Amino acid sequence: AAGVIQSPRHLIKEKRETATLKCYPIPRHDTVYWYQQGPGQDPQFLISFYEKMQSDKGSIPDRFSAQQFSDYHSELNMSSLELGDSALYFCASRTSGDYNEQFFGPGTRLTVL
Amino acid sequence: AQTVTQSQPEMSVQEAETVTLSCTYDTSESDYYLFWYKQPPSRQMILVIRQEAYKQQNATENRFSVNFQKAAKSFSLKISDSQLGDAAMYFCAYRRFPYRDDKIIFGKGTRLHILP
Repeated sequence: AAGVIQSPRHLIKEKRETATLKCYPIPRHDTVYWYQQGPGQDPQFLISFYEKMQSDKGSIPDRFSAQQFSDYHSELNMSSLELGDSALYFCASRTSGDYNEQFFGPGTRLTVL
Repeated sequence: AQTVTQSQPEMSVQEAETVTLSCTYDTSESDYYLFWYKQPPSRQMILVIRQEAYKQQNATENRFSVNFQKAAKSFSLKISDSQLGDAAMYFCAYRRFPYRDDKIIFGKGTRLHILP
Protein backbone atom coordinates (compact mmCIF):
# COMPACT_ATOMS: atom_id res chain seq x y z
CA ALA A 1 0.00 0.00 0.00
CA ALA A 2 1.13 3.52 -0.73
CA GLY A 3 2.47 5.50 2.20
CA VAL A 4 3.17 9.12 2.96
CA ILE A 5 6.34 10.27 1.23
CA GLN A 6 8.59 12.93 2.65
CA SER A 7 11.58 14.47 0.99
CA PRO A 8 14.32 14.91 1.61
CA ARG A 9 14.82 12.35 4.36
CA HIS A 10 17.85 14.15 5.70
CA LEU A 11 18.81 17.78 5.38
CA ILE A 12 21.76 19.69 6.73
CA LYS A 13 21.68 23.48 6.72
CA GLU A 14 23.67 26.33 8.21
CA LYS A 15 22.20 28.90 10.54
CA ARG A 16 20.22 31.61 8.80
CA GLU A 17 19.71 29.47 5.71
CA THR A 18 16.36 28.40 4.27
CA ALA A 19 14.94 24.89 4.04
CA THR A 20 11.96 23.42 2.21
CA LEU A 21 10.45 20.14 3.31
CA LYS A 22 8.02 18.31 1.08
CA CYS A 23 5.22 15.92 1.88
CA TYR A 24 3.29 13.75 -0.58
CA PRO A 25 0.18 12.33 1.07
CA ILE A 26 -1.33 8.96 0.40
CA PRO A 27 -3.44 9.10 -2.80
CA ARG A 28 -6.96 10.45 -2.16
CA HIS A 29 -5.94 11.90 1.20
CA ASP A 30 -7.02 15.52 1.35
CA THR A 31 -5.74 16.53 4.78
CA VAL A 32 -2.11 17.03 5.74
CA TYR A 33 -0.52 17.68 9.11
CA TRP A 34 3.00 18.77 10.06
CA TYR A 35 4.61 17.86 13.39
CA GLN A 36 8.01 18.76 14.80
CA GLN A 37 9.87 16.40 17.13
CA GLY A 38 12.95 17.83 18.82
CA PRO A 39 15.65 15.56 20.24
CA GLY A 40 14.27 13.52 23.12
CA GLN A 41 10.89 15.22 22.88
CA ASP A 42 7.37 14.34 21.86
CA PRO A 43 6.02 15.46 18.48
CA GLN A 44 4.43 18.90 18.49
CA PHE A 45 1.77 19.95 16.04
CA LEU A 46 2.75 22.77 13.69
CA ILE A 47 0.04 23.23 11.09
CA SER A 48 -2.59 21.39 9.06
CA PHE A 49 -4.35 21.78 5.73
CA TYR A 50 -7.64 20.51 4.37
CA GLU A 51 -8.46 20.89 0.70
CA LYS A 52 -5.57 23.31 0.24
CA MET A 53 -6.75 25.62 3.00
CA GLN A 54 -5.08 25.98 6.38
CA SER A 55 -7.33 24.26 8.90
CA ASP A 56 -5.42 24.55 12.17
CA LYS A 57 -2.25 26.12 13.47
CA GLY A 58 -0.07 25.21 16.41
CA SER A 59 3.21 26.53 17.74
CA ILE A 60 4.67 27.30 14.36
CA PRO A 61 7.27 30.10 14.32
CA ASP A 62 6.62 33.08 12.09
CA ARG A 63 9.78 32.11 10.20
CA PHE A 64 7.97 29.01 8.98
CA SER A 65 5.29 28.93 6.34
CA ALA A 66 3.47 26.09 4.67
CA GLN A 67 0.96 25.42 1.97
CA GLN A 68 -0.92 22.62 0.30
CA PHE A 69 -0.97 22.49 -3.45
CA SER A 70 -3.63 21.46 -5.97
CA ASP A 71 -2.24 17.91 -6.07
CA TYR A 72 -2.52 17.84 -2.24
CA HIS A 73 1.18 17.69 -1.61
CA SER A 74 2.42 20.11 1.02
CA GLU A 75 5.59 22.07 1.58
CA LEU A 76 6.97 23.47 4.82
CA ASN A 77 9.25 26.44 4.23
CA MET A 78 11.63 27.39 7.00
CA SER A 79 13.67 30.58 6.85
CA SER A 80 16.40 32.11 9.02
CA LEU A 81 17.13 28.70 10.44
CA GLU A 82 18.23 28.48 14.05
CA LEU A 83 20.05 25.72 15.90
CA GLY A 84 16.83 24.98 17.76
CA ASP A 85 15.09 24.08 14.51
CA SER A 86 17.09 20.87 14.38
CA ALA A 87 14.44 18.21 14.67
CA LEU A 88 12.55 15.44 12.97
CA TYR A 89 9.67 16.82 10.95
CA PHE A 90 6.76 14.48 10.37
CA CYS A 91 4.04 14.83 7.84
CA ALA A 92 0.81 12.90 8.29
CA SER A 93 -2.21 12.59 6.02
CA ARG A 94 -5.74 11.28 6.13
CA THR A 95 -9.03 11.43 4.29
CA SER A 96 -11.78 13.65 5.64
CA GLY A 97 -14.59 12.08 7.59
CA ASP A 98 -15.77 11.58 11.11
CA TYR A 99 -12.85 9.39 11.83
CA ASN A 100 -9.92 8.47 9.72
CA GLU A 101 -6.50 7.62 11.01
CA GLN A 102 -3.61 9.97 10.42
CA PHE A 103 -0.88 8.07 8.61
CA PHE A 104 2.61 9.30 9.38
CA GLY A 105 5.45 9.63 6.92
CA PRO A 106 8.99 8.57 7.78
CA GLY A 107 10.00 12.11 8.68
CA THR A 108 12.65 14.54 7.50
CA ARG A 109 15.60 14.90 9.83
CA LEU A 110 16.79 18.51 9.73
CA THR A 111 20.14 19.40 11.22
CA VAL A 112 21.08 23.06 11.55
CA LEU A 113 24.78 23.73 12.07
CA ALA B 1 -6.69 22.67 26.58
CA GLN B 2 -6.17 18.97 26.35
CA THR B 3 -3.12 17.40 27.98
CA VAL B 4 -1.60 13.94 28.01
CA THR B 5 0.64 12.77 30.84
CA GLN B 6 2.94 9.78 30.92
CA SER B 7 4.54 9.51 34.34
CA GLN B 8 7.00 6.73 33.52
CA PRO B 9 9.93 8.05 31.47
CA GLU B 10 11.48 4.57 31.26
CA MET B 11 10.46 1.00 31.98
CA SER B 12 12.08 -2.38 31.65
CA VAL B 13 10.54 -5.81 31.28
CA GLN B 14 11.90 -9.29 30.89
CA GLU B 15 11.33 -10.91 27.52
CA ALA B 16 8.07 -12.92 27.46
CA GLU B 17 6.73 -11.07 30.49
CA THR B 18 3.87 -8.57 30.63
CA VAL B 19 4.27 -4.85 31.09
CA THR B 20 1.81 -1.99 31.53
CA LEU B 21 2.49 1.57 30.47
CA SER B 22 0.45 4.28 32.15
CA CYS B 23 -1.19 7.36 30.68
CA THR B 24 -3.60 9.95 31.98
CA TYR B 25 -5.19 12.76 30.05
CA ASP B 26 -7.31 15.78 30.62
CA THR B 27 -10.09 17.04 28.40
CA SER B 28 -13.47 18.64 28.67
CA GLU B 29 -14.66 16.89 25.51
CA SER B 30 -16.98 13.90 25.73
CA ASP B 31 -16.03 12.36 22.39
CA TYR B 32 -12.42 11.81 21.45
CA TYR B 33 -9.87 9.21 20.44
CA LEU B 34 -6.90 7.87 22.33
CA PHE B 35 -3.89 6.19 20.81
CA TRP B 36 -0.67 4.47 21.63
CA TYR B 37 2.14 5.03 19.14
CA LYS B 38 5.41 3.15 19.01
CA GLN B 39 8.58 4.88 17.88
CA PRO B 40 11.48 2.45 17.39
CA PRO B 41 15.07 3.61 16.81
CA SER B 42 14.19 4.24 13.16
CA ARG B 43 11.92 6.99 14.57
CA GLN B 44 9.00 5.97 12.39
CA MET B 45 5.69 6.64 14.17
CA ILE B 46 3.73 3.40 14.26
CA LEU B 47 0.16 3.23 15.47
CA VAL B 48 -0.14 0.40 17.98
CA ILE B 49 -3.74 0.69 19.11
CA ARG B 50 -6.60 3.19 19.22
CA GLN B 51 -9.65 3.61 21.42
CA GLU B 52 -12.79 5.54 20.69
CA ALA B 53 -14.03 7.24 23.87
CA TYR B 54 -17.66 6.35 23.15
CA LYS B 55 -16.82 2.66 23.19
CA GLN B 56 -16.83 1.01 26.59
CA GLN B 57 -15.05 -2.08 25.35
CA ASN B 58 -11.29 -1.93 25.66
CA ALA B 59 -9.39 -2.18 22.39
CA THR B 60 -7.15 -5.17 21.70
CA GLU B 61 -4.61 -5.80 18.95
CA ASN B 62 -2.90 -9.15 19.29
CA ARG B 63 -0.49 -8.85 22.25
CA PHE B 64 -1.46 -5.24 22.89
CA SER B 65 -4.50 -4.22 24.91
CA VAL B 66 -5.65 -1.12 26.72
CA ASN B 67 -7.42 -0.40 29.96
CA PHE B 68 -9.59 2.63 29.25
CA GLN B 69 -11.14 4.27 32.30
CA LYS B 70 -13.09 7.25 30.97
CA ALA B 71 -14.21 8.63 34.31
CA ALA B 72 -10.69 8.48 35.66
CA LYS B 73 -9.26 9.74 32.35
CA SER B 74 -6.81 6.88 32.34
CA PHE B 75 -5.57 4.93 29.32
CA SER B 76 -2.93 2.28 29.98
CA LEU B 77 -1.28 -0.05 27.50
CA LYS B 78 -0.58 -3.67 28.35
CA ILE B 79 1.94 -5.60 26.32
CA SER B 80 1.80 -9.35 26.80
CA ASP B 81 4.56 -11.81 25.96
CA SER B 82 7.05 -8.98 25.47
CA GLN B 83 9.43 -9.42 22.57
CA LEU B 84 12.77 -7.82 21.78
CA GLY B 85 11.14 -5.99 18.88
CA ASP B 86 8.85 -4.21 21.33
CA ALA B 87 11.75 -2.11 22.59
CA ALA B 88 10.91 1.45 21.63
CA MET B 89 9.56 4.78 22.80
CA TYR B 90 5.83 4.62 23.36
CA PHE B 91 3.68 7.71 23.12
CA CYS B 92 0.19 8.01 24.46
CA ALA B 93 -1.83 10.43 22.36
CA TYR B 94 -5.19 12.19 22.20
CA ARG B 95 -7.28 13.49 19.34
CA ARG B 96 -10.61 15.25 19.66
CA PHE B 97 -13.58 13.73 17.86
CA PRO B 98 -14.62 16.43 15.37
CA TYR B 99 -12.50 15.99 12.31
CA ARG B 100 -11.56 19.65 12.13
CA ASP B 101 -8.90 20.93 14.50
CA ASP B 102 -8.00 17.32 15.10
CA LYS B 103 -4.32 17.59 15.75
CA ILE B 104 -2.81 14.78 17.76
CA ILE B 105 -1.55 15.71 21.21
CA PHE B 106 1.22 13.46 22.47
CA GLY B 107 2.48 12.64 25.94
CA LYS B 108 6.19 12.88 26.72
CA GLY B 109 6.69 9.18 26.06
CA THR B 110 7.85 6.08 27.91
CA ARG B 111 10.99 4.33 26.77
CA LEU B 112 10.53 0.59 27.04
CA HIS B 113 13.52 -1.71 27.38
CA ILE B 114 13.18 -5.45 26.83
CA LEU B 115 15.62 -7.55 28.82
CA PRO B 116 16.66 -10.85 27.19
